[in-house]
Amino acid sequence: AQSVAQPEDQVNVAEGNPLTVKCTYSVSGNPYLFWYVQYPNRGLQFLLKYITGDNLVKGSYGFEAEFNKSQTSFHLKKPSALVSDSALYFCAVKRNTGFQKLVFGTGTRLLVSP
Amino acid sequence: EAQVTQNPRYLITVTGKKLTVTCSQNMNHEYMSWYRQDPGLGLRQIYYSMNVEVTDKGDVPEGYKVSRKEKRNFPLILESPSPNQTSLYFCASSPGTGGLHQPQHFGDGTRLSIL
Repeated sequence: AQSVAQPEDQVNVAEGNPLTVKCTYSVSGNPYLFWYVQYPNRGLQFLLKYITGDNLVKGSYGFEAEFNKSQTSFHLKKPSALVSDSALYFCAVKRNTGFQKLVFGTGTRLLVSP
Repeated sequence: EAQVTQNPRYLITVTGKKLTVTCSQNMNHEYMSWYRQDPGLGLRQIYYSMNVEVTDKGDVPEGYKVSRKEKRNFPLILESPSPNQTSLYFCASSPGTGGLHQPQHFGDGTRLSIL
C-alpha cells in the first residue's frame, strides 16, 4: 500500500527567502508523485508531477521538486518565496503500474511573511 | 472554461435528512472521484468511478452512495447523514481510467455540517 508523510504541519518563511516543503513516500514499485496547492475556499490545484527521468521537476508558479529515490523523498522547493504562495500544500503518490488510487499526505501549511 | 462544478458549496442540515451533493465536469473525463478533507487527515477517498456505470469504494465509503449514469455527472448521496460526516468534500476528475499519471482536476469543495 502507498503512503505519504508530510512531517511539518506548518512552514514559515520570509518573503524573498527560499522555501522547502518536505514529503516522503512509501510505495511498492516505482512511483508517480504529485504536488497540489489549496488556496482558501478553493479546490486543490495541480503544481507539478514526477513520472520518470530527470529528478528535478519544474512546475507552475516557479515551484520545483526533487525526486530522491534512495531517500524516498519528493520535497517541494522555490528559490524565492512570495506572500501569495501562502497556502496549504499536499503531496500525493500512486504506483506507476496498473490501476492504483492516488494517496495524499496530510498537508503542510506554508506561511510567507512580508 | 474547463472545470469541475460542485453544488451546493455550503450546507447545514440535520441528522437523518437525505442529501445529495452534485458534481459535474465538462472535460469529458472518464475518471471521477469523491474525497473528504478533515484536519490532520488530509484527503481521503470515498468513492471513485472509472467510467459510466463503473463505481468502486475508496477508503471511507461507509454512509455514502454514488452513481455514474452519465459521463459528466457523479453525485454523492448521504442517505442518512450523521454528525461524523461533517466535513469538506471535494469532487475530482481526470482523463483515462485512473491508472495513469494525469493530474486530477478538483471542484471548489462543499462544506457540509450535520447537526
